Amino acid sequence: EAGVAQSPRYKIIEKRQSVAFWCNPISGHATLYWYQQILGQGPKLLIQFQNNGVVDDSQLPKDRFSAERLKGVDSTLKIQPAKLEDSAVYLCASSLAGGQAGELFFGEGSRLTVL
Amino acid sequence: DQQVKQNSPSLSVQEGRISILNCDYTNSMFDYFLWYKKYPAEGPTFLISISSIKDKNEDGRFTVFLNKSAKHLSLHIVPSQPGDSAVYFCAASHMYSGGGADGLTFGKGTHLIIQP
Repeated sequence: EAGVAQSPRYKIIEKRQSVAFWCNPISGHATLYWYQQILGQGPKLLIQFQNNGVVDDSQLPKDRFSAERLKGVDSTLKIQPAKLEDSAVYLCASSLAGGQAGELFFGEGSRLTVL
Repeated sequence: DQQVKQNSPSLSVQEGRISILNCDYTNSMFDYFLWYKKYPAEGPTFLISISSIKDKNEDGRFTVFLNKSAKHLSLHIVPSQPGDSAVYFCAASHMYSGGGADGLTFGKGTHLIIQP
């Protein structure tokens, strides 16, 4: 079974530039999450989708971050304009809707460096 | 406001001995707890979980204990092996009665180092 796919693995940009990350969840997983992991911290939830609807985006900095999950499968996370403090690993995860209680499957992450 | 706390950034244990990783939480709504393991340059992988209706869950060398009154859980690994060297994240969630759950809230992680 293929895991959660993310791209790009690494991205370096200058502040005020824009960047987009892509995620393809495990086939059949209705719930998709984007997490931000800053060095030395645990992952922090940015947004949770159930199919193509947003369940929770309370911690998403909406002035610069946006995410979509068209057709309820793939998802993109965009940052525009980027700030230095956005340097982090962006993790995508998926899970079965209501499925094995809370267990998330993570991708390898996209590491963003903002200079 | 950290709702899930792992107060030990690192822990060093001799191979073959028991590793005990601790986690505290503050949100009374949390009713499901998980441990994830993370190697460098990889995403976290699920290790073991426990529901708030239980106080212990065991899977091979891994056992998680939950003390609800103290809002504390711990992960025991016995015997510890070199491949167990990784960062361990404690995570918590609230499960909905009709299925589904909130996204996980993670602690900062504990870097476990198994010494040969």
